[in-house]
Amino acid sequence: QKEVEQDPGPLSVPEGAIVSLNCTYSNSAFQYFMWYRQYSRKGPELLMYTYSSGNKEDGRFTAQVDKSSKYISLFIRDSQPSDSATYLCATRRSSGDKLTFGTGTRLAVRP
Amino acid sequence: GAVVSQHPSRVICKSGTSVKIECRSLDFQATTMFWYRQFPKQSLMLMATSNEGSKATYEQGVEKDKFLINHASLTLSTLTVTSAHPEDSSFYICSAAQAVSGGSYEQYFGPGTRLTVT
Repeated sequence: QKEVEQDPGPLSVPEGAIVSLNCTYSNSAFQYFMWYRQYSRKGPELLMYTYSSGNKEDGRFTAQVDKSSKYISLFIRDSQPSDSATYLCATRRSSGDKLTFGTGTRLAVRP
Repeated sequence: GAVVSQHPSRVICKSGTSVKIECRSLDFQATTMFWYRQFPKQSLMLMATSNEGSKATYEQGVEKDKFLINHASLTLSTLTVTSAHPEDSSFYICSAAQAVSGGSYEQYFGPGTRLTVT
């Protein structure tokens, strides 16, 4: 079993839709949770960073962490074609630990 | 801020040759840099963690004699793929760790280097 599971998609939505991306993890020691966006043939870009459980909002993006169910979510409101990319969740146990990535979900937002 | 560059962005080499990839943190000092490889439609797989001035720590299954890592300064790490073979063709991505408050760090990724071995 992988430590972080993520549906690879692809996920296709119309412009303006609310997008929900999710990951589950198995290691209860994970404390830090990140979402990265990766455009084709580019390096990942940090979108959201959350420590422990709770919600964090940044513009059209909201990250949620539920440690009781080991569930991580990213919501994108008013999705735009420019949001089309692969979204990777990542976690780590401590502040100095290495990142463990999900496989990434490919998102396509149709104009 | 927090910009990481990689050079070259794309390289094609013949089987048996060696290729060096550079990773630079442009506006911050990074005591730790990470090297990943990514196959098409797959996630990032950590190859090694490199700390400035010390030997790199390689992940299980990664040949340290094949993937030579040098972290000579706080802003530069290099990955050399020695005696490259077609199966080494992949997208290589580095990241650099920038210290943030609370003793933690954030990783910022370079744009990646696409290696094709013919």
